[in-house]
Amino acid sequence: DGGITQSPKYLFRKEGQNVTLSCEQNLNHDAMYWYRQDPGQGLRLIYYSQIVNDFQKGDIAEGYSVSREKKESFPLTVTSAQKNPTAFYLCASSIVGAGGGDIQYFGAGTRLSVL
Amino acid sequence: AQSVAQPEDQVNVAEGNPLTVKCTYSVSGNPYLFWYVQYPNRGLQFLLKYITGDNLVKGSYGFEAEFNKSQTSFHLKKPSALVSDSALYFCAVRDKGKAAGNKLTFGGGTRVLVKP
Repeated sequence: DGGITQSPKYLFRKEGQNVTLSCEQNLNHDAMYWYRQDPGQGLRLIYYSQIVNDFQKGDIAEGYSVSREKKESFPLTVTSAQKNPTAFYLCASSIVGAGGGDIQYFGAGTRLSVL
Repeated sequence: AQSVAQPEDQVNVAEGNPLTVKCTYSVSGNPYLFWYVQYPNRGLQFLLKYITGDNLVKGSYGFEAEFNKSQTSFHLKKPSALVSDSALYFCAVRDKGKAAGNKLTFGGGTRVLVKP
């Protein structure tokens, strides 16, 4: 988990509320990713960014938003449009190399629950 | 679209016995393949990867994996399992084609339980 900090560790969301999950990295990586982990479903990609001020939707982007204003930061907002937000959220980062075999490094995760 | 299958939800093995965690993949071209491990309430840790070259890849903590192109498999192995190897293991694939970008697709995970 070294180099990528996710906060908070636990988060509770009320009905109709937007919440923001923080992800900061000091690895000088260009690319950052957000995944959602549900039991038995592995990890699913929400959003990713390969450069500052640019990001792309992953497989399950609906109900989520991101920003990438700084290289080291990639916050994820879970909006009220996400009707089933309870999950474990993981942030990752990597270099963007020409070879394509870039390793993704993960944070310790944020567990989001609905009140 | 690329995909990964881990056919076993859980693998039980006695300490000291060989451990195998199965993974099969589907991509349109040649794959980059990865194995990660996750301990409870933690992020994923990288174990090993296959890019090209020797089909047997050695990684961290005594793990290795064998790439088999004809069977589209990338099974994870350890000759002698330890109780501390008990964790959740994920296989992942990235298509080498440019259209796939940097996206990794993960399997559903296999829980490994090593009993003393």
